[in-house]
Amino acid sequence: DGGITQSPKYLFRKEGQNVTLSCEQNLNHDAMYWYRQDPGQGLRLIYYSQIVNDFQKGDIAEGYSVSREKKESFPLTVTSAQKNPTAFYLCASNDRVGRAIGELFFGEGSRLTVL
Amino acid sequence: GEDVEQSLFLSVREGDSSVINCTYTDSSSTYLYWYKQEPGAGLQLLTYIFSNMDMKQDQRLTVLLNKKDKHLSLRIADTQTGDSAIYFCAASYSGSARQLTFGSGTQLTVLP
Repeated sequence: DGGITQSPKYLFRKEGQNVTLSCEQNLNHDAMYWYRQDPGQGLRLIYYSQIVNDFQKGDIAEGYSVSREKKESFPLTVTSAQKNPTAFYLCASNDRVGRAIGELFFGEGSRLTVL
Repeated sequence: GEDVEQSLFLSVREGDSSVINCTYTDSSSTYLYWYKQEPGAGLQLLTYIFSNMDMKQDQRLTVLLNKKDKHLSLRIADTQTGDSAIYFCAASYSGSARQLTFGSGTQLTVLP
């Protein structure tokens, strides 16, 4: 079945370490997104990519980095510069063709806890 | 920028109707969405409405849009325990993929 796969589902990190969250999609979507979710808050956009080899900062990009070397993959690195990295991270995609801009397909999420 | 507001919690009895409300600030919002998130999972699109519509019905779901008051609601008829989840309202205006703003989500609890 087509969909978005995020891994790992749970991740623990010590302070000062970088970690990379994986996001893979087999929906053939051009656009991919990373969101951060904190309890009682809406989703906040970290980075997005509308095409391979191109990506743009979202509202809270500081302390994060991404790459988009392949259409199906959009990994997110949470660096040691991110002050408060403990959160639930969601990857999403859409193809933007014949769809409203906000019709996003989401992965199951990755929960990062900094110890 | 756009601001989308929702109440945080709603409890209903099984079989009753649920109404989840949302307000937004940007009158140029073209598309308005409702997403559902079950515990520990990603979001799933339930339905959306264009700004030129007042109402959209899809089985047990009814979306009402009041553009004058910038108010959106989602009604779930015959609410079941499986409807317990967080419901997010989101708004966007056409153009940049970046311009999608989510509300904080409403935790719906369905009591037996």
